[in-house]
Amino acid sequence: QVQLQESGPGLVKTSQTLSLSCTVSGASISDNSWSWIRQPPGKGLEWIGYFYYSGNTKYNPSVKSRATISIDTSKNHFSLKLRSVNAADTAVYYCARLRVGEFDYPGYTWFDPWGQGTLVTVSS
Amino acid sequence: QSVLTQPPSVSGAPGQRVTISCTGSSSNIGATYDVHWYQQLPGKAPKLLIYATTNRPSGVPDRFSGSKSATSASLAITGLQAEDEADYYCQSYDDSLNGLYVFGTGTKVTVL
Repeated sequence: QVQLQESGPGLVKTSQTLSLSCTVSGASISDNSWSWIRQPPGKGLEWIGYFYYSGNTKYNPSVKSRATISIDTSKNHFSLKLRSVNAADTAVYYCARLRVGEFDYPGYTWFDPWGQGTLVTVSS
Repeated sequence: QSVLTQPPSVSGAPGQRVTISCTGSSSNIGATYDVHWYQQLPGKAPKLLIYATTNRPSGVPDRFSGSKSATSASLAITGLQAEDEADYYCQSYDDSLNGLYVFGTGTKVTVL
């Protein structure tokens, strides 16, 4: 059974860097693709980016210039760094595995499972 | 930036059938990309409900079913139960802006 667990600071100061980790159990970090998704309080879901098993990364244009997703095979975890944060980045951040379907292309992939989520508040 | 539109809320009595629509465009659902559905119970993380438009993961009751037509998709819940009260989100992929995953606006299902 694959399980994911996010960890990181719950409070980040404005203009600083948000850093989160996702520890994976039950699956090899290097054989799968991984993603980060966030949900502002009371709002919907927003995809942040992914690290594909091929080594490719892709980000939502809304955060592209500020986000970096990387993996650490020695620790079997992957990370998100989001630079120059502001209040609009306050959200529950989820990590998730990206499952590949009939075709190995993003249009045929989905997120499963998800971590429990961690609330990050950005404040001065 | 939700490009998939869902009704804000739907409701039904126990045992009834409800449907949730997910309206997209030619750059996402209409581009033949798969649609997936997630259930988010209050205070919990989203959970995969339907993948690749019509498939249920192991453990998901067959009361839940998905379909797609042109630029829209639907989630149907038959035999509505109290534990189905949750938020539901559709998800697909969009070719615009060099490609990105998109979620629906979300639908709150209330069991009367």
